[in-house]
Amino acid sequence: EAQVTQNPRYLITVTGKKLTVTCSQNMNHEYMSWYRQDPGLGLRQIYYSMNVEVTDKGDVPEGYKVSRKEKRNFPLILESPSPNQTSLYFCASSFAGSRNEQYFGPGTRLTVT
Amino acid sequence: GENVEQHPSTLSVQEGDSAVIKCTYSDSASNYFPWYKQELGKRPQLIIDIRSNVGEKKDQRIAVTLNKTAKHFSLHITETQPEDSAVYFCAASIGRGSTLGRLYFGRGTQLTVWP
Repeated sequence: EAQVTQNPRYLITVTGKKLTVTCSQNMNHEYMSWYRQDPGLGLRQIYYSMNVEVTDKGDVPEGYKVSRKEKRNFPLILESPSPNQTSLYFCASSFAGSRNEQYFGPGTRLTVT
Repeated sequence: GENVEQHPSTLSVQEGDSAVIKCTYSDSASNYFPWYKQELGKRPQLIIDIRSNVGEKKDQRIAVTLNKTAKHFSLHITETQPEDSAVYFCAASIGRGSTLGRLYFGRGTQLTVWP
């Protein structure tokens, strides 16, 4: 089954404790992206990747890191999480180009206390 | 970069009525305009999209229109049903340059359909 998976789905952590949210897709998509969703603010892009070893900042990259060592995986790293990073996070992927549907993962709800 | 604005932020309609959500974009190089529906607790999913060489597209009760000159596009839902209740996001994608393929989202519209 074609899909985007994320782990964990739910995470409660404390300020400053490094964490990684994994994202994997099995559709051979070149493009992958991370969004955060907060009430009233919609979907804001954190980082995106056009292909392996190619990443770029989105609109809200502060406090986050990413890597794209393999085509199928695009982990999101929070080196020192803070309470303002409490949010719902979505990974998405698509084929390269401007006219391709983006497929979203199921989301990761992160709470930082 | 691209800036997408979406209105209204909330919309309530009676079952059977029509609903219209409007979006504007800023970059004339945008050439792809998808609409995503997000049900409560679920991931966003594509429901319809339109490309810049087309003015209107329909899929059963859903239609999207695009006015490139005015840089706006709209989602029309006819004969609304309670299961249409969800958050709807519009987006735009620039067709060239270093941000090729990147989607710029509006802030979403919470549609509620009352039985």
